[in-house]
Amino acid sequence: GAVVSQHPSRVICKSGTSVKIECRSLDFQATTMFWYRQFPKKSLMLMATSNEGSKATYEQGVEKDKFLINHASLTLSTLTVTSAHPEDSSFYICSAREPEVGAPDNEQFFGPGTRLTVL
Amino acid sequence: KQEVTQIPAALSVPEGENLVLNCSFTDSAIYNLQWFRQDPGKGLTSLLLIQSSQREQTSGRLNASLDKSSGRSTLYIAASQPGDSATYLCAAIAGGTSYGKLTFGQGTILTVHP
Repeated sequence: GAVVSQHPSRVICKSGTSVKIECRSLDFQATTMFWYRQFPKKSLMLMATSNEGSKATYEQGVEKDKFLINHASLTLSTLTVTSAHPEDSSFYICSAREPEVGAPDNEQFFGPGTRLTVL
Repeated sequence: KQEVTQIPAALSVPEGENLVLNCSFTDSAIYNLQWFRQDPGKGLTSLLLIQSSQREQTSGRLNASLDKSSGRSTLYIAASQPGDSATYLCAAIAGGTSYGKLTFGQGTILTVHP
């Protein structure tokens, strides 16, 4: 099956710094990637949809200036948490959608997640 | 706005039992429905994806059914094992203008004890 990686898997930073998280599709090209956030013991909430070569589409309530998304290539999307604060501490998961040829329509493949802790 | 609810929130069973996890969604105009497994501190593992034209999917000891008209899906796990312990999430996949958007339930935490 399709493989999606994330880097780093875990990051601890001081309040006020910016943190970049990478999401890569390793064996396929993904025109669309998605970023989710998961609070402890809660479900995943979609933050934004990232389309290669165009601006990301953010969900209601998500600050686009706070969470910068760049989908510069067909295999890489990045999420930058700017001026991070303790309330930004969370588990961030990305997913990528494989082109439909040979795959069930609409299936997304998820990365292993990045645990962000802001002190 | 799509809302997905999973019942029960937690389930603890002895090894060997057959069990059913429930998922309901408010907007029946979904495109597909997908079940995932999540181990603590890890990402998601896709278990089964049921396309809108299908009523069920099977993989090994897992069987998922979908009834779009009633807004329900169930995940059946046969002969449960301690290794099945994890959080199980269902997600409704939208079509139309929100094509591909997943709305997740809050999950069922399953514990299978030896």
